[in-house]
Amino acid sequence: KAGVTQTPRYLIKTRGQQVTLSCSPISGHRSVSWYQQTPGQGLQFLFEYFSETQRNKGNFPGRFSGRQFSNSRSEMNVSTLELGDSALYLCASSPMGTSGRDEQFFGPGTRLTVL
Amino acid sequence: AQTVTQSQPEMSVQEAETVTLSCTYDTSESDYYLFWYKQPPSRQMILVIRQEAYKQQNATENRFSVNFQKAAKSFSLKISDSQLGDAAMYFCAYRSKNNDMRFGAGTRLTVKP
Repeated sequence: KAGVTQTPRYLIKTRGQQVTLSCSPISGHRSVSWYQQTPGQGLQFLFEYFSETQRNKGNFPGRFSGRQFSNSRSEMNVSTLELGDSALYLCASSPMGTSGRDEQFFGPGTRLTVL
Repeated sequence: AQTVTQSQPEMSVQEAETVTLSCTYDTSESDYYLFWYKQPPSRQMILVIRQEAYKQQNATENRFSVNFQKAAKSFSLKISDSQLGDAAMYFCAYRSKNNDMRFGAGTRLTVKP
């Protein structure tokens, strides 16, 4: 099976712009989670989608949003970018996600730089 | 809210030796899952080992084993016979039954030849 893919791998934006990141989970996986990784804050949970519904949400402002499509592919959007949004954004998929036991498979990440 | 603490920002081990990475967590839940993830310099996170809180037996995966102390809320990772390929950032993670996932700050492991 192909692994989790994320596009684009690198992105440069300026303050005030918006950005959309894409994640394609492993075939058959229905749960997709998003994380922000920065040197200062580490790995922080953004949100999780399951069957096109947001099931869990981390402590991020409303500028961060996401959605999931019927084929389980997910997008996250960040509006009105700030310098502090520069980070590696990781996507992870798991089969059902109905049990915390499920292993999450991570993608390579999208490196976002905000200038 | 659950928090995960890794008190060792960096660790170093000689090749073939054993190293233990520490992790503590705070939770009021009784049923949860704990994980150790490895993030090599290429950045793709990989699951190393998983422990279910209701299981008393410590999980083992080849050279990797954990010391799970539920009462102490401690979950350390032991790497035996360390190899150069073990060099990476290691993250301890807590996941509740409703899939709320929290990561520690990470420990950077260096393996010396």
